Amino acid sequence: DQQVKQNSPSLSVQEGRISILNCDYTNSMFDYFLWYKKYPAEGPTFLISISSIKDKNEDGRFTVFLNKSAKHLSLHIVPSQPGDSAVYFCAASQGTYKYIFGTGTRLKVLA
Amino acid sequence: DAGVIQSPRHEVTEMGQEVTLRCKPISGHDYLFWYRQTMMRGLELLIYFNNNVPIDDSGMPEDRFSAKMPNASFSTLKIQPSEPRDSAVYFCASSGGQGETGELFFGEGSRLTVL
Repeated sequence: DQQVKQNSPSLSVQEGRISILNCDYTNSMFDYFLWYKKYPAEGPTFLISISSIKDKNEDGRFTVFLNKSAKHLSLHIVPSQPGDSAVYFCAASQGTYKYIFGTGTRLKVLA
Repeated sequence: DAGVIQSPRHEVTEMGQEVTLRCKPISGHDYLFWYRQTMMRGLELLIYFNNNVPIDDSGMPEDRFSAKMPNASFSTLKIQPSEPRDSAVYFCASSGGQGETGELFFGEGSRLTVL
């Protein structure tokens, strides 16, 4: 039973345009959410986080939006760059360090 | 400062053999996690430790898997006997350093292939 779902296995975007990666969760008790980026043959690296008391968090080109009523979060990358091509994982936790990860979305930014 | 260190990076073994994966967490972190990455299930949490004590091992697939953390700077994940369906990338991560905001720091992973 997947508590965190990323329903789009892949996404292609033109360089300079916006990339929107989506994530849905089923457990309404989740209160902290993370996005990770993963390049081939490397470990995932932390990108951005958001607490359930917020609905938006921004860091440079990256913005995460949280819609608690819909149990949905999204990651916006603007503008997208070829170096952003990677697999993106969302993760959620309920008050602890026990993070549940989604299956990932492979983003390809076309030059 | 060194990150999370995992060994081996690659392991190829035959079905039935014992496999031991190793992890050195970031110094000062008191949480350690073992994850497995597969295409179908993404990153699955297998087990995590707090202050060297296993807290939740509900993700360990079956009794063939075991994990230990004898001290704050070392952990092992053992599979005995290994099976082809265990083939995956296994990641170790640590967290919980003072002043940090809760994210996990991952190692580069150990790619296991069981023939």
